[in-house]
Amino acid sequence: DAGVIQSPRHEVTEMGQEVTLRCKPISGHNSLFWYRQTMMRGLELLIYFNNNVPIDDSGMPEDRFSAKMPNASFSTLKIQPSEPRDSAVYFCASSLEYTRYSNQPQHFGDGTRLSIL
Amino acid sequence: LAKTTQPISMDSYEGQEVNITCSHNNIATNDYITWYQQFPSQGPRFIIQGYKTKVTNEVASLFIPADRKSSTLSLPRVSLSDTAVYYCLVGDIPEGGGSARQLTFGSGTQLTVLP
Repeated sequence: DAGVIQSPRHEVTEMGQEVTLRCKPISGHNSLFWYRQTMMRGLELLIYFNNNVPIDDSGMPEDRFSAKMPNASFSTLKIQPSEPRDSAVYFCASSLEYTRYSNQPQHFGDGTRLSIL
Repeated sequence: LAKTTQPISMDSYEGQEVNITCSHNNIATNDYITWYQQFPSQGPRFIIQGYKTKVTNEVASLFIPADRKSSTLSLPRVSLSDTAVYYCLVGDIPEGGGSARQLTFGSGTQLTVLP
């Protein structure tokens, strides 16, 4: 079975550039999560979707960050303009519908290592 | 907010049983406890999940006392390949949805298995 697929695996770009990270969740999963991992802050949840609808984006650090899920098989996380402090590993995860009463296990991709110079 | 506290690191030897405890004093009635494992350059991987008492699967056991304010992940007979970071996650999404920031993995426990 194909797991969660993220692209690119590595991205190096200069500050001020737009960065787009992509995620394909596991087929049949209807919750999708975007995380950011750094040494300082650990693994932080940025936003999650249920059935393609953003439930809450209060974890998104700034207006420079945006996420979309146009259909059940694709999501993007965009940073515009990018800054050096955005350097981190960004993970996408998916699960069966994740609700307060149904904490479904999440399946993670291998992440995108982003470096902003 | 069901914040979790785990030891930062633990060392063990091959073949030993390892127990990692996580404290979650503010766990809510409907929260499940989930443990993940993360290797370098990979995303976290689900290990086990439980609500109360004991859960066992092919790789681990999870012990949860009656008050549910802590949980213990037990790895039987560890090998070198079990060296990884282990995260305890307590699901906490408020009624009707809510702040994504409340679903946080914390710092995890770095387990190092020695030969």
